[in-house]
Amino acid sequence: RKEVEQDPGPFNVPEGATVAFNCTYSNSASQSFFWYRQDCRKEPKLLMSVYSSGNEDGRFTAQLNRASQYISLLIRDSKLSDSATYLCVVRSGGSNYKLTFGKGTLLTVNP
Amino acid sequence: SAVISQKPSRDICQRGTSLTIQCQVDSQVTMMFWYRQQPGQSLTLIATANQGSEATYESGFVIDKFPISRPNLTFSTLTVSNMSPEDSSIYLCSVDDTGGYGYTFGSGTRLTVV
Repeated sequence: RKEVEQDPGPFNVPEGATVAFNCTYSNSASQSFFWYRQDCRKEPKLLMSVYSSGNEDGRFTAQLNRASQYISLLIRDSKLSDSATYLCVVRSGGSNYKLTFGKGTLLTVNP
Repeated sequence: SAVISQKPSRDICQRGTSLTIQCQVDSQVTMMFWYRQQPGQSLTLIATANQGSEATYESGFVIDKFPISRPNLTFSTLTVSNMSPEDSSIYLCSVDDTGGYGYTFGSGTRLTVV
């Protein structure tokens, strides 16, 4: 089983649609969870951290289920500018601070 | 968040040669990380570079192939040695500048080995 596994995608949605990305991780000792966004030929940029209680930032909602080792990202009212690859990222425990990346899910929002 | 200047942004190199990639951070950071992103793939950690000690390499990566320097808390280099076409990839440096709650990446070095 891969350490971090994401929906393979790609996702093609119309503007205004709601889209959900799913991610699972294998290491139950993982401590921190993130969603990153990577535009074509650019570096990854932090979109949001994911907390156990769930968190929302505007149109974006992230949720974590530690029991199921599952992370999700929901994008509401999608915009053309949301088109990017979304990376699920998990940080291992201890002082290692090692990040493990999922393969990413490509989202294309169409006019 | 920290601002990272990574150089070069891209290069085309002959097989058998070496390329050194530099990352300069605008603030002092304890740990710097070097990643590789092969075409169509996600990021894979090569090594963690701490100032004043040898870098810690991940499985599948060795110091002879990817020597790293970390002379101070704002700078690091990664060298890709004796390159082959399989080393063609994007190399990125990263820092943890928020105590583990977010990582900032350099803009990446797109390497093509011919």
